[in-house]
Parts: sequence; structure tokens; C-alpha cells
Amino acid sequence: GAVVSQHPSWVICKSGTSVKIECRSLDFQATTMFWYRQFPKQSLMLMATSNEGSKATYEQGVEKDKFLINHASLTLSTLTVTSAHPEDSSFYICSAWTSGRKNFFYNEQFFGPGTRLTVL
Amino acid sequence: KQEVTQIPAALSVPEGENLVLNCSFTDSAIYNLQWFRQDPGKGLTSLLLIQSSQREQTSGRLNASLDKSSGRSTLYIAASQPGDSATYLCAVPTDSWGKLQFGAGTQVVVTP
Repeated sequence: GAVVSQHPSWVICKSGTSVKIECRSLDFQATTMFWYRQFPKQSLMLMATSNEGSKATYEQGVEKDKFLINHASLTLSTLTVTSAHPEDSSFYICSAWTSGRKNFFYNEQFFGPGTRLTVL
Repeated sequence: KQEVTQIPAALSVPEGENLVLNCSFTDSAIYNLQWFRQDPGKGLTSLLLIQSSQREQTSGRLNASLDKSSGRSTLYIAASQPGDSATYLCAVPTDSWGKLQFGAGTQVVVTP
């Protein structure tokens, strides 16, 4: 099956520092990667859409300068939370998607295991 | 704007009973519908994806149906087990580039 990994799985940092989260598709090339955040007992909220080689598209209300997304290749996207504050503490999940018509994973989206960020 | 609703929000059943989880969506022009499972503190596991041209998909004890005209999908889990305890989420794409709109989820507890 399609496997998506995230690193780190959890991170604790001090307020004001920056944290980078990696999202990798391990056995397929992802046309697009998505970044979500999830608060306790709530559903996923899309933060941004990331296409390889182009700028990310952010959802309304998501600060571009705070959540930097880099999508350097078809298998790697990174989310950097800059100058993190306690209110940024959340569960961040990425997903990878491919639209290849001949691909078994046509239109299916696969999720990483998530990264728990705690900002002190 | 596409809205996705899941009912009930929570469900508790004894082991062995069949589970019925409902998902409704307001815009019937969907490309597909996907069901996911999420364990506490974990990411999402894809369970089933139903293309818009399909009426149902089956995988083991799981069966998902899709009725586009009424804007509904139902996930059936046969002979539930304690290991089925999790939150189940349904999602539909809101564009042709994979962006998903999620329901709030149904939290399932299967008691031994």
C-alpha cells in the first residue's frame, strides 16, 4: 500500500523557536501534499495545499509567514512553524495524493501518522 | 460550499453487534468519498474509497455504500470487535485536486 511518514512524531519546544516537520511519501510520487491541524476532539482542518515546485496555497485564516511550506520533490514536503507560541500546540497531519489515472491509488489520499507539537 | 455531517457523533455497542455509521454531504457532485479510521493520537488510516460511479465498496468486514442523489454514504462494520474502537471519518473532495472536506467523525466504542 501507499505509505506516508512524518518526522518527528512528537516535539516539544520553547516559545519563540521554529520547528520543522517533514512529510514523505515512501513508495509513490505524490502530485500534491496537504497539511492539516487537528485540535483535541475535533476533526481535521486543512491548512494548506502543497504542489511540488510551486508555492503552497493557504486556506483562509492561515498565516503564510508563520507556517512555511516547502515542497522540494514529489516525495517530500516540509512544514516549518516559525516563532512558535503555545497556541500553535496541536496535532499536525500531512497527506499525500496522486491523480495518476493508471495508478492504483487514483484519487486516493494517504495520511501520515501525525506530529504532536507542544510549545511551552 | 460542501458540508459533510456524520451522525451519530458517538456510538457504543457490545462486541459482535453490527455497526452502522452515517455520512451526509450537501453537494452531490462529488468525485468520490473516502472513509478513514483514526485511533487516539494517531494519523488517519484509509479504509475504503468509493468512486462517484460506484454504489458500494467492500473490504473484509467493512462495506460502504454511496447514494449520490440523496447525498449519503453508510459504513457498515459487521460483527464488531473491541479493536474496531476508534473514530471514523468520512471525507469528500471539494475540487479536482484532492482537497478534502471532512465530517466531524463518529467515535465508536466496542465493549467486550
